[in-house]
Amino acid sequence: AQSVTQPDIHITVSEGASLELRCNYSYGATPYLFWYVQSPGQGLQLLLKYFSGDTLVQGIKGFEAEFKRSQSSFNLRKPSVHWSDAAEYFCAVGPSIQGAQKLVFGQGTRLTINP
Amino acid sequence: NAGVMQNPRHLVRRRGQEARLRCSPMKGHSHVYWYRQLPEEGLKFMVYLQKENIIDESGMPKERFSAEFPKEGPSILRIQQVVRGDSAAYFCASSPSQGGKNYEQYFGPGTRLTVT
Repeated sequence: AQSVTQPDIHITVSEGASLELRCNYSYGATPYLFWYVQSPGQGLQLLLKYFSGDTLVQGIKGFEAEFKRSQSSFNLRKPSVHWSDAAEYFCAVGPSIQGAQKLVFGQGTRLTINP
Repeated sequence: NAGVMQNPRHLVRRRGQEARLRCSPMKGHSHVYWYRQLPEEGLKFMVYLQKENIIDESGMPKERFSAEFPKEGPSILRIQQVVRGDSAAYFCASSPSQGGKNYEQYFGPGTRLTVT
């Protein structure tokens, strides 16, 4: 069965510092991978996705993520965080076959930004 | 192009009552998904529907929960005889028809159900 692990429940960084949020997945084949962001009381917004090809993907708001098959990881990075980046971040995995099917989410990482 | 719409945004029910949650997918999307988010947890898949068909309901509790996506109108998630443990945020997502890289799911703002 597919699973997603986000090892860090809560991370605090200073504004302007770099950020890396970890995500490890368990899946038999190459999965579809996603990062979503959720602001308090809001729905989920897609930051970026990986289907195939270049393993470094660029997303919105200056985020990027790198797919590493050997480590079963898809870590999210940002060179310099802004106070508005404070939110909950979710990594998700879907099966690598065409067609719309369910996503499996990690538990989430709550990001706090210190001024 | 309006996004995924859910209503109500907040719903309070007493134990034993029924809760009806509505989801209107994005225009042109024919696939709808429901997820539940319990406090301090990630989202858990409940059900996947296409128009007039339930495709995957492997995440739905066996009792009291049902979902539909009729030919006309929004998708409905129905919870009968609610209990306190049903208190959660319920998110709907939609995606386009199959084909190409149409896997991306777009989420609505959620309905926050509180059972008192």
